[in-house]
Amino acid sequence: DAKTTQPPSMDCAEGRAANLPCNHSTISGNEYVYWYRQIHSQGPQYIIHGLKNNETNEMASLIITEDRKSSTLILPHATLRDTAVYYCIVRGPNAGNMLTFGGGTRLMVKP
Amino acid sequence: DGGITQSPKYLFRKEGQNVTLSCEQNLNHDAMYWYRQDPGQGLRLIYYSQIVNDFQKGDIAEGYSVSREKKESFPLTVTSAQKNPTAFYLCASSIGGDRDQETQYFGPGTRLLVL
Repeated sequence: DAKTTQPPSMDCAEGRAANLPCNHSTISGNEYVYWYRQIHSQGPQYIIHGLKNNETNEMASLIITEDRKSSTLILPHATLRDTAVYYCIVRGPNAGNMLTFGGGTRLMVKP
Repeated sequence: DGGITQSPKYLFRKEGQNVTLSCEQNLNHDAMYWYRQDPGQGLRLIYYSQIVNDFQKGDIAEGYSVSREKKESFPLTVTSAQKNPTAFYLCASSIGGDRDQETQYFGPGTRLLVL
C-alpha cells in the first residue's frame, strides 16, 4: 500500500470549515483513499472513502486531486465534537482486508 | 442495534498472567481484526481472521493468540510472553471477501493495564 503523509496537528475555529490534507504521491491506480477519525479513548470511526472522484456524505467531503497524489478531507462546519485524530489511509485490493494506520492529524476545534 | 462490542472496558493484568479480551459483532461480517494502540501512536495489526476457523498473524502477533470458532466472536488472549502488554486494544470487523473496497468498523476498545 502507498504511504501517506499528514500534518501532525491543525487548529480550526468552531463553525468554520476544516480542511485536512493528505499526500499519497506513490498511490497506485487501483488504491482507494480512506479517512477515519478517532476521538480520544474511543475506537476509530469511518468517515468516507474514494477512488478518483470527489465524494460527499453526511459527515464530510473528500476531494482527490486529478493526479491522485493528494487529497483533502473537508468538514464543512466544524464543531467542538469534531476534535479528534484524523487518519488518511490508502489501500489497494492486494492488501487483503488490511488497513495501515499512520500517525494521523490531530485536529483541535476551538470556540 | 448492530455493532461491535468489546469487554471489559478496562482490564488489569498481573505479571505472568494470561488475560482474554472479548470481541463480538452482530453485523454478519466475515472478517475480524485486532489492533493495538500505544499512547500517541497509530494502530498496529495483531491478528486478523477472514473467515471462521482461520486467522493470520499481523505485524505484532508475538505474545498474543486468537481463536475464531464462531463468526460473531474473535477473542484475543494476551499471554505472559507479551512483555509490554499495557495498551489500548481495538477490535474491528468488515464484510470481508475479495473486495476492492473494504470498510472496517471498530469497537469501543479495551484498555489493558499491567499491575
